[in-house]
Amino acid sequence: GAVVSQHPSWVICKSGTSVKIECRSLDFQATTMFWYRQFPKQSLMLMATSNEGSKATYEQGVEKDKFLINHASLTLSTLTVTSAHPEDSSFYICSARDRVGGRTQYFGPGTRLTVL
Amino acid sequence: QQQVKQSPQSLIVQKGGISIINCAYENTAFDYFPWYQQFPGKGPALLIAIRPDVSEKKEGRFTISFNKSAKQFSLHIMDSQPGDSATYFCAAIYQGGKLIFGQGTELSVKP
Repeated sequence: GAVVSQHPSWVICKSGTSVKIECRSLDFQATTMFWYRQFPKQSLMLMATSNEGSKATYEQGVEKDKFLINHASLTLSTLTVTSAHPEDSSFYICSARDRVGGRTQYFGPGTRLTVL
Repeated sequence: QQQVKQSPQSLIVQKGGISIINCAYENTAFDYFPWYQQFPGKGPALLIAIRPDVSEKKEGRFTISFNKSAKQFSLHIMDSQPGDSATYFCAAIYQGGKLIFGQGTELSVKP
């Protein structure tokens, strides 16, 4: 089956620092990757869609200068939370689509970010 | 129009019973309806999915029933087990669109 990994699985950082989260598709090429945020007991909220080699498309209300997304290859996308603050503490999950026009998204295991 | 409404919010079922989760949608452009299972602290895992030209799909103990005219679909978990305790999300998508999630159902299967 299609496997998506994320690294790190959890991270604790001080307020004002930047944190980078990696998302990799391990056994398929992902032309499109997605980044979600999930608060406790809530559904997943799409933050942005990233296509390999082009700029990410951000959802309304998501600060693109704060959440930097890079999709440099068909198997790797990164999310950098810049100048993190306690309110950025959340569960960040990426997903990848295995082919153009495909409907199925495969999700990573998530990254728990805690900003002190 | 883009919403997917899911119910119930939480569900308690005895071991061996049937768990039923319902979802409804409005946008008739949706053409793919996946269900995801999420354990605490983990990402969602694709459980089973259906297209609107099929009324039912079964994989092991999991069955999706789809009613196109009513714009509703449901997940049935037969012979529910404590290991099935998790949060379940229905979702919907159309080509070029975004994956729209339901609100989630927290299932607890009591031994």
